[in-house]
Amino acid sequence: AQSVTQLDSHVSVSEGTPVLLRCNYSSSYSPSLFWYVQHPNKGLQLLLKYTSAATLVKGINGFEAEFKKSETSFHLTKPSAHMSDAAEYFCVVSFTGGGNKLTFGTGTQLKVEL
Amino acid sequence: EAGVAQSPRYKIIEKRQSVAFWCNPISGHATLYWYQQILGQGPKLLIQFQNNGVVDDSQLPKDRFSAERLKGVDSTLKIQPAKLEDSAVYLCASSPGQTTYFKLFFGSGTQLSVL
Repeated sequence: AQSVTQLDSHVSVSEGTPVLLRCNYSSSYSPSLFWYVQHPNKGLQLLLKYTSAATLVKGINGFEAEFKKSETSFHLTKPSAHMSDAAEYFCVVSFTGGGNKLTFGTGTQLKVEL
Repeated sequence: EAGVAQSPRYKIIEKRQSVAFWCNPISGHATLYWYQQILGQGPKLLIQFQNNGVVDDSQLPKDRFSAERLKGVDSTLKIQPAKLEDSAVYLCASSPGQTTYFKLFFGSGTQLSVL
């Protein structure tokens, strides 16, 4: 079985300050981990993915995430938030050989204030 | 490159009525997925197709939900009869293949309200 837990349902930051969205995973197999972003009235977009290569993964729009097996975590960070980053973010787990079946977390709503 | 197309964008029906959603994936994508996203939750996989065959429908409520992809291209998801708890956004996604090497592309979804 596989699952993800997003520790914060809402995160609020000021523009220009760092962003941290937390995610812990559980998987019986070697996991593949993803972060997706969902802007209002738009489709889900892949930010980045980890599939057993480098543990620090860089994605689009300045986001990055670090896979920590000992902590079963895959937190998403960005050094400096921009107003356009306001959206819902989903941590997602799959596993090699799992047919690309994605298991989504419950999401974290990121608010960026001036 | 055209994205994943879904219609309608919104649908409002009364309980016990039937409804159908349509999805046209990106050209050449063999794998197609239907997800259900209830408000406040992450998307949940309902069914996965590889070409015109079903790979996984373990979470599809088969007593009321059905889906087909007859020619291995576009797909239809049907609910009959609808229940209040079916109110959700129904997302279609496609990818070139089944492994995690391939990125999923999502459509904008169909928002269903069951009254």
